[in-house]
Amino acid sequence: EAGVTQSPTHLIKTRGQQATLRCSPISGHTSVYWYQQALGLGLQFLLWYDEGEERNRGNFPPRFSGRQFPNYSSELNVNALELEDSALYLCASSLALGGREWYNEQFFGPGTRLTVL
Amino acid sequence: AQRVTQPEKLLSVFKGAPVELKCNYSYSGSPELFWYVQYSRQRLQLLLRHISRESIKGFTADLNKGETSFHLKKPFAQEEDSAMYYCALFNQAGTALIFGKGTTLSVSS
Repeated sequence: EAGVTQSPTHLIKTRGQQATLRCSPISGHTSVYWYQQALGLGLQFLLWYDEGEERNRGNFPPRFSGRQFPNYSSELNVNALELEDSALYLCASSLALGGREWYNEQFFGPGTRLTVL
Repeated sequence: AQRVTQPEKLLSVFKGAPVELKCNYSYSGSPELFWYVQYSRQRLQLLLRHISRESIKGFTADLNKGETSFHLKKPFAQEEDSAMYYCALFNQAGTALIFGKGTTLSVSS
């Protein structure tokens, strides 16, 4: 079974530009999660999509946005890039709608390394 | 506030020695806690969750509500256990995982 895939592997941008990161979930998974792993800050939750809708977002400014397509793949967009946006961005997918009663294991992708110069 | 604290950035032990990776949390009510592991050049993956009370690869973790801890333990470390370990908590709304900053475990012979 193919795992979660992310593209590109690496992305280099300059301050002020926009970045687009892509994620394809495991077949059959409807939920997609985005996390930022910045140096020294650990993994921080960014966004959660399920069935095409944004269900939850973490404590990040509005210039971090995304969407989920009908095939459940997802895109993360970061506008007006700042130096501190340099990080590894991880995507994860799970089987069902998240929630305490229905939590399913999140399977992670390999990540996209974003460098902002 | 909901928070996960892993006080050690790095833990170095010898093969065969016991291992304890510390995790403390801040949460109102009954938390749902997990340990994730990332081996070198591999993806982040779930190691165990407290609700299932499993032992995976010889690791166990017990929830101690009095001490608000969920330490990960293994009686005899192996070199292949060397990895980054993250403790995580399901947030109050049940919509996101809150991760600690991780502890690197290094097991040497």
